[in-house]
Amino acid sequence: AQKVTQAQTEISVVEKEDVTLDCVYETRDTTYYLFWYKQPPSGELVFLIRRNSFDEQNEISGRYSWNFQKSTSSFNFTITASQVVDSAVYFCALTHSGTYKYIFGTGTRLKVLA
Amino acid sequence: DAGVIQSPRHEVTEMGQEVTLRCKPISGHNSLFWYRQTMMRGLELLIYFNNNVPIDDSGMPEDRFSAKMPNASFSTLKIQPSEPRDSAVYFCASTGVRDRQPQHFGDGTRLSIL
Repeated sequence: AQKVTQAQTEISVVEKEDVTLDCVYETRDTTYYLFWYKQPPSGELVFLIRRNSFDEQNEISGRYSWNFQKSTSSFNFTITASQVVDSAVYFCALTHSGTYKYIFGTGTRLKVLA
Repeated sequence: DAGVIQSPRHEVTEMGQEVTLRCKPISGHNSLFWYRQTMMRGLELLIYFNNNVPIDDSGMPEDRFSAKMPNASFSTLKIQPSEPRDSAVYFCASTGVRDRQPQHFGDGTRLSIL
């Protein structure tokens, strides 16, 4: 069965702190895709990154970085020098090659305090 | 480029009324998804279409819910009759087929059934 676990329900940090959001997934498929989405207080869901199972390279985009480790079935998301605008709910999602259905985690609410 | 467009943004109606939610996917995308988001259940996939054909409607809660996609640029989700427990945020998302593109979400419709 496929599953995505975001064990951190809510995290609070002070502005400029680094924060890592954890995502652990389960799948039996060898070809799969992982995603992160951001849902700010305004409510929309914003795509952040996609990673496929064959590409274990870490990625950095500005203050955001992602660490994909197949050995631990994890796809963690780090925000460096957090800002108040990073306050949102962040969702990790999984799909595999045989379907377009996403399995979403329950989300991690990040609060960045000024 | 225009993103996924949903209307209305907010809908408040009384129990028993018919509700119609509308979605215009991103041009060129051939898969469309309807989701429902509630605090209790998180993000739930209701139905998805590929090339205007419903592929999986196993998430549709009951016969009161129906969805159509008459052409590649328009879809509706209808609830008739509506009930207070249908109150939620409803998202539409679309994606293309090439290289497993991510789903792009609309801003959602916040539905309140009184």
